[in-house]
Amino acid sequence: RKEVEQDPGPFNVPEGATVAFNCTYSNSASQSFFWYRQDCRKEPKLLMSVYSSGNEDGRFTAQLNRASQYISLLIRDSKLSDSATYLCVVNKADYKLSFGAGTTVTVRA
Amino acid sequence: SQTIHQWPATLVQPVGSPLSLECTVEGTSNPNLYWYRQAAGRGLQLLFYSVGIGQISSEVPQNLSASRPQDRQFILSSKKLLLSDSGFYLCAWWGSTEAFFGQGTRLTVV
Repeated sequence: RKEVEQDPGPFNVPEGATVAFNCTYSNSASQSFFWYRQDCRKEPKLLMSVYSSGNEDGRFTAQLNRASQYISLLIRDSKLSDSATYLCVVNKADYKLSFGAGTTVTVRA
Repeated sequence: SQTIHQWPATLVQPVGSPLSLECTVEGTSNPNLYWYRQAAGRGLQLLFYSVGIGQISSEVPQNLSASRPQDRQFILSSKKLLLSDSGFYLCAWWGSTEAFFGQGTRLTVV
């Protein structure tokens, strides 16, 4: 079983729509969680960290469910510029980050 | 501020040729450094990580090696490239609250 699994998508949504997707992780000892955004042929960049209580950054909301070992990302009022691949990242505090394969989101006009 | 440099950005190499990718970090000391590879349509696979000079941990058996000759320098090498070594290679630095990536090297082995 992979350490981090994501629905690859793609999620094709119209502008203004809400899109949400999950990521599951296998190691219950995982301590920190992140969503990264990766544009085509570019390096990943941090979108947001995910905190136990859930957190929001503008149109983006991240949730963590430790009992079920998943994190989620919700994007409200989608913009064309939100089109990207979203990577789920898990850190077990042993210096190694585990990445999901990514969820592709395409926002259409 | 901390920055991470990686080069070259693109590389086309014949099978059997050597490889050397370099990554340097500025603005921090004793960083944890990583090499990842991303194959087309796939997630990032951790290849090597290093917590200090001369300290290298390998995650997967492969045709590649890594070295850390200086505190802020991390090098990925191969003596003889295989077709399967093609991919997008990313150097990263773990800054305790997030990972920062170099711009990546797109390697095509022909």
